[in-house]
Amino acid sequence: DGGITQSPKYLFRKEGQNVTLSCEQNLNHDAMYWYRQDPGQGLRLIYYSQIVNDFQKGDIAEGYSVSREKKESFPLTVTSAQKNPTAFYLCASTPREGSQETQYFGPGTRLLVL
Amino acid sequence: SQQGEEDPQALSIQEGENATMNCSYKTSINNLQWYRQNSGRGLVHLILIRSNEREKHSGRLRVTLDTSKKSSSLLITASRAADTASYFCATVHLGSSGSRLTFGEGTQLTVNP
Repeated sequence: DGGITQSPKYLFRKEGQNVTLSCEQNLNHDAMYWYRQDPGQGLRLIYYSQIVNDFQKGDIAEGYSVSREKKESFPLTVTSAQKNPTAFYLCASTPREGSQETQYFGPGTRLLVL
Repeated sequence: SQQGEEDPQALSIQEGENATMNCSYKTSINNLQWYRQNSGRGLVHLILIRSNEREKHSGRLRVTLDTSKKSSSLLITASRAADTASYFCATVHLGSSGSRLTFGEGTQLTVNP
């Protein structure tokens, strides 16, 4: 069963804590993306990676970090420097580096601050 | 900002009616895509239209693109209650890195049974 999985579905963060959101894909896609969605709004790009061991900042990278050690995995860490982390986080992928094709999305992780 | 804008922000119609959503963008594009999002879920791709295309169909969906006006529209014909969702346009801009998408803020469509 191919697709993109994100875990957990809900995540709670305490102040000053770093938390990591998981994104895994078995579609053999090269490029992966992380977006943030606030209520009633569109998606904003946090980070993206077009190939293993390489990634670029998106429009709102401050307070976030990523790694891309494996093709299948692109975890996102929300650091304590992100002062307003409450949002819905979506991971996506596309088949080929540099392609302009559609993106395939995971089901999302909702992050809440305690 | 290169972000697109959707119009209207919210649309409520009766089952069987047609729904039209519009999207405008600011800079030249390679392609424009429409996505659907059910509440609390991920986005699902609906249709992609390239900058050299003017109209595209997929089932009950019809998308038009007017590059001179930097706008696109999504028409859903014979709507169903199951079409209730948020609809987003997203653009791939000329000169952008890879397949980086810029999303609009979406139109919330409610189809009443």
